[in-house]
Amino acid sequence: QKEVEQNSGPLSVPEGAIASLNCTYSDRGSQSFFWYRQYSGKSPELIMFIYSNGDKEDGRFTAQLNKASQYVSLLIRDSQPSDSATYLCAVNSQPGYKLSFGAGTTVTVRA
Amino acid sequence: SAVISQKPSRDICQRGTSLTIQCQVDSQVTMMFWYRQQPGQSLTLIATANQGSEATYESGFVIDKFPISRPNLTFSTLTVSNMSPEDSSIYLCSGEGGGETQYFGPGTRLTVL
Repeated sequence: QKEVEQNSGPLSVPEGAIASLNCTYSDRGSQSFFWYRQYSGKSPELIMFIYSNGDKEDGRFTAQLNKASQYVSLLIRDSQPSDSATYLCAVNSQPGYKLSFGAGTTVTVRA
Repeated sequence: SAVISQKPSRDICQRGTSLTIQCQVDSQVTMMFWYRQQPGQSLTLIATANQGSEATYESGFVIDKFPISRPNLTFSTLTVSNMSPEDSSIYLCSGEGGGETQYFGPGTRLTVL
């Protein structure tokens, strides 16, 4: 079983819609959860992090964490063409910052 | 957040040669990491670069192939040794940014012929 699994893409959404990205993880002891955005040919950019159960909102992005279900999600509201990218879920399963990454979900926002 | 630079940004190398990639952080960080991202794939951690001691390698990566230096809290190098076409990849370094966050450098795109 992979440590971090993301819903397979690609995900295509119309402009203005909500894009919903899902991620599950295997290590129940995981404490920190991150979403990175990666544009084609660029390096990953941290867009959200969440440590506690519940929702965390930052602008058009909302991260949701449910540790009991070992599930973390990212919602992108009012999706824009500039949101078209690959979104990587990362989980810190061990002390010392070491991250495990999911395979990523590619999102395309249609104008 | 830390600002991270890498050199070179890209290189084309011949089989059997070695390439050293440099990573510079604009502030002191305790933790630095090296990742590999093969085409169309996600990130795979190669090693944790420890200041003042040997790097800690992940399963499948060895020091002879990927020697790492970490002379101070702002700088690290990764060498890809005795390269083969299978080493063609993007190599990324990252530094911790507080709260267990990591920030990435722009990456080094390596092509081995």
